[in-house]
Amino acid sequence: AQRVTQPEKLLSVFKGAPVELKCNYSYSGSPELFWYVQYSRQRLQLLLRHISRESIKGFTADLNKGETSFHLKKPFAQEEDSAMYYCALVSGGYQKVTFGTGTKLQVIP
Amino acid sequence: NAGVTQTPKFQVLKTGQSMTLQCAQDMNHNSMYWYRQDPGMGLRLIYYSASEGTTDKGEVPNGYNVSRLNKREFSLRLESAAPSQTSVYFCASSESRVTRAGELFFGEGSRLTVL
Repeated sequence: AQRVTQPEKLLSVFKGAPVELKCNYSYSGSPELFWYVQYSRQRLQLLLRHISRESIKGFTADLNKGETSFHLKKPFAQEEDSAMYYCALVSGGYQKVTFGTGTKLQVIP
Repeated sequence: NAGVTQTPKFQVLKTGQSMTLQCAQDMNHNSMYWYRQDPGMGLRLIYYSASEGTTDKGEVPNGYNVSRLNKREFSLRLESAAPSQTSVYFCASSESRVTRAGELFFGEGSRLTVL
C-alpha cells in the first residue's frame, strides 16, 4: 500500500533563511507526487507537482526515486509562506490521492 | 464560479445521530473525494468516486457511506455518529485525465462535532 511520510509536524525558520520540508513515500508503482498548501482561512490548494518541474512562489521539489523522497525547498523564506504544507501521492489508476500528515511552516519575522 | 461547495459548514451532533454532508462541484470533474482532517493525522481519505456511478473505499471508510448522486454531487453519510468522527471534513474534485491526475480542488470544509 502507498504511504506518504512527513516527519516534521512543525518547522520554524527565520525570514530569509532556507526552507526544506521533508517528504518520503512508499509506493510500488511509478509515483506521481504533489505538494499542497493551506494558508490560514483559505482552502487547501495545489502548490506544485513533480512532473511539471516548475517553481511556484519560489518553491521547488525534486523527486528522488533512489531515496523515495520529494522534499520541498525554498532558498529564502518569506512571512507569507507560513502555512500548512501537505505532500501527496496519486495511485489507484491515477485517481486515489494519499496525503501525508502535514508540516506547519512558521516563518519568524 | 463556485468550484466545490460543501454544506453544512458547521454541525454539532449527539452520539448515535445521523447526518449527511453534501458536496457539489461545477467544474464538470469526473472524480470526487471525501477526506477528514485531524490534528497530527493529516488528511485521510474516506471514500472516493473515480466517475459517476462508482465509489471506492479509502483509508478510513468505517462508519461512513457515500452516494455519487450524479456527476456534480457526492454526499457523505454518518449513519450513527460517534465522538471519534469529530473532525473537519473536506470534499474535493479533479479531472480524470491522466495529465491532471492528483490535482484536487477542495471545498472550504465542514466542521463536525459529535458529543
